[in-house]
Amino acid sequence: DQQVKQNSPSLSVQEGRISILNCDYTNSMFDYFLWYKKYPAEGPTFLISISSIKDKNEDGRFTVFLNKSAKHLSLHIVPSQPGDSAVYFCAASDGQGGSEKLVFGKGTKLTVNP
Amino acid sequence: DTEVTQTPKHLVMGMTNKKSLKCEQHMGHRAMYWYKQKAKKPPELMFVYSYEKLSINESVPSRFSPECPNSSLLNLHLHALQPEDSALYLCASSQDGTGQQDTQYFGPGTRLTVL
Repeated sequence: DQQVKQNSPSLSVQEGRISILNCDYTNSMFDYFLWYKKYPAEGPTFLISISSIKDKNEDGRFTVFLNKSAKHLSLHIVPSQPGDSAVYFCAASDGQGGSEKLVFGKGTKLTVNP
Repeated sequence: DTEVTQTPKHLVMGMTNKKSLKCEQHMGHRAMYWYKQKAKKPPELMFVYSYEKLSINESVPSRFSPECPNSSLLNLHLHALQPEDSALYLCASSQDGTGQQDTQYFGPGTRLTVL
């Protein structure tokens, strides 16, 4: 039972354009959502998070949108840069159960072409 | 500063060896985690320490033995591993694993190869 789904294994965009990475979840108890970026053979780097009481959070080129009714969140990267090429993981936690357990999606590999 | 350090970066060991992975953070975080990650898969949680006490063990085989000597250090002792245990082992820490909306910060990982 996959509670966090990233249905696009890969995404390719041109430098300077917008990258939109999507994530769906099934557990309505999730109340905190995070995006991590991962280069090969390195640990995930925290990018941005959003609480379930918000619908948008912005940090520089990165914006996360949350649609609770649709159980959907997305990460927008504008403008995309070649250095953004990496695997992006969506993760969620259930506040009721404590936030020790992060549930990860399977990741989306983003390629930004110069 | 959100740095978590891990040593060694790479480790090759035989199935009869005993080795240890080390993790350190100086952010004052009170929760620390071990994850295992295979290629093209998301990280899998192994253990969680909260306030230096083991709070979660995700049914990990006993050949993996965690230790938290103090709030800044986390070790993973390895003994009699199998080739299928080869993976990237990630350490993470967070402010307070028992709280809500707590962000986990990951170290760079140790690439383990079991021959």
